[in-house]
Amino acid sequence: AQSVTQLDSQVPVFEEAPVELRCNYSSSVSVYLFWYVQYPNQGLQLLLKYLSGSTLVESINGFEAEFNKSQTSFHLRKPSVHISDTAEYFCAVSERGSYIPTFGRGTSLIVHP
Amino acid sequence: GAGVSQSPSNKVTEKGKDVELRCDPISGHTALYWYRQRLGQGLEFLIYFQGNSAPDKSGLPSDRFSAERTGESVSTLTIQRTQQEDSAVYLCASSPAVSTEAFFGQGTRLTVV
Repeated sequence: AQSVTQLDSQVPVFEEAPVELRCNYSSSVSVYLFWYVQYPNQGLQLLLKYLSGSTLVESINGFEAEFNKSQTSFHLRKPSVHISDTAEYFCAVSERGSYIPTFGRGTSLIVHP
Repeated sequence: GAGVSQSPSNKVTEKGKDVELRCDPISGHTALYWYRQRLGQGLEFLIYFQGNSAPDKSGLPSDRFSAERTGESVSTLTIQRTQQEDSAVYLCASSPAVSTEAFFGQGTRLTVV
């Protein structure tokens, strides 16, 4: 069975600074990887995903994540954050052949002015 | 509707009472998932439906929890004889196929007093 580890429960950062939210997974088979974001008082929504092909995937609002198979990681990065990026970020993995996305505990990104 | 709809958005119930939580998935989505999110914790998988069958009920925490789905439409999660530890946000998600993006509802916040 797969599992997901998000080591950082909270990441405070100043506006316009770079940020990295870490995600490591465990699986014995090939996986699909996702980052979801939950803005305050809103539901979860997909930020970006890796299914196959290029290991670097990007979102429309400047986030990117790179699938690193050897390190079983899918860290999320942004070179310059905005106040509006303040939210809870969840990493998720779904094994090919399984049907259930498994989520990490979430990382709270707090952007200070 | 345009997205996954859950009702009620908030539910306060007395310990020992039964509750029903409803999820209307996106039309045409064959897969439907229920998750539980306790305060400060990640998403805990409860049950998965493919059509109206539930091939994986392994996440249901006890026999007080049950769920059903009508065709590829509405799903109901029922909690009998609620306990205080059942207090959480219950999230429903649907997807057009397995191992792809899950679309989440806003959740039902259940408080057992």
